[in-house]
This record gives sequence, structure tokens and C-alpha cells, in this order.
Amino acid sequence: AQSVTQLDSHVSVSEGTPVLLRCNYSSSYSPSLFWYVQHPNKGLQLLLKYTSAATLVKGINGFEAEFKKSETSFHLTKPSAHMSDAAEYFCVVSEKGSNYQLIWGAGTKLIIKP
Amino acid sequence: GAVVSQHPSRVICKSGTSVKIECRSLDFQATTMFWYRQFPKKSLMLMATSNEGSKATYEQGVEKDKFLINHASLTLSTLTVTSAHPEDSSFYICSARGDWGQETQYFGPGTRLLVL
Repeated sequence: AQSVTQLDSHVSVSEGTPVLLRCNYSSSYSPSLFWYVQHPNKGLQLLLKYTSAATLVKGINGFEAEFKKSETSFHLTKPSAHMSDAAEYFCVVSEKGSNYQLIWGAGTKLIIKP
Repeated sequence: GAVVSQHPSRVICKSGTSVKIECRSLDFQATTMFWYRQFPKKSLMLMATSNEGSKATYEQGVEKDKFLINHASLTLSTLTVTSAHPEDSSFYICSARGDWGQETQYFGPGTRLLVL
């Protein structure tokens, strides 16, 4: 069975400093992994996805994530935080064996301090 | 590309009335559409999966007679909350996927429902 664990419910960083949002997953098959962002009162936006190609995935707005099978992790990073990055971030896993149903992490709220 | 719209974005209704929410894929044909519910400060909960022209598959604990889903065309799915009650107040989000990449869903902007 699939599951996703986002290790931090809240992450607070200063503007201009690096961002690290942690995600661990479990999957019986080769998973696809996603990061979505949700700004307050807005819809969900796909940041990036991993689907068995390069393990380092680059997304929009300077975000990237690295798929590490040995650690079952898919952490999201950004070298320098911007105020506009303040939002809720969701790590999501899907796999072919479950007809690609999305399994959602609980979310991490990213707070940017000026 | 791959834009999904929802209408309305926000709706307030009286208890006991029914509310219909539309989800449209604007620039692609959505063979499968999904309906989610999101409680405040929580993650998304899948309510049901619908394939065009067939009955929706509901997740455990979701009342199919209360949350009616219709997927009559490849670009439109509707969710009707029947006899709404205050506990149905929530943020409802739809998503759609085409037949070119089954692992990716594209999300609508969501509909905030408030039942008084």
C-alpha cells in the first residue's frame, strides 16, 4: 500500500535562505511522485513530478526535488526563498498498481520571514 | 495547456437545498475526472472517480446519494450536493486527466461551499 509522510507540518525560513520540505513515501511499485503548491484561497498548482526518468527533477519557480529510492524520499528544495513562496505544499504519490490514484501527504505550510 | 475550470468558485446556500458544481477541462478531453474535498488546514480527501459515460466510483464513507456525480461528456463533470447541511460546508476540488499520461491530474481552482 502506498503512503506519504511529510515530516514537518510547518517550516519557517527567512527570505533569501534555502528551503527544504521533507517527504517520505512507501510504494509497492515504481511510483510517480509529485509536489503541488496551494496558495491561500487558490487552487492547486503542480510544481514538479517524477515519473521514472531523471532522479533530480526541476520544477517551476526555482524548485527542485530529488528522488532517492534507497531512502524512499522525495524532498523539495529551493536555494533562495521568496516571499511569494509562502503557501501550503503537498507531496503526492501514485502508482500504476492502484490505477494512478493520488495519495496525498498532510501538507507542509511554508512561512517566509522578511 | 491542461486547464481545468470550476463553477461557481463560491456558493452560499440554505440548509436543505441542492447545489451543483461544474468541472470543465478547457483544452483537453478528460477521460477521468476526480472529486476531492478539503477541510480547513487539511489535505485533500478523494470522494469519487468518474469516467466519461459510466457511473462514478465512490470512496468508502462517501454517500453516493448525497454527492451525485455525472460525467456526461469528455469535458464536463458535475457534482451535486443534495439536501445540503452545514456539515457539508467545505472546499470541493475537481481534477481531470487525459489519456496521454495517466499519472498526472490537473486541478480546478476549487469551489467553496457554505451551507447556512
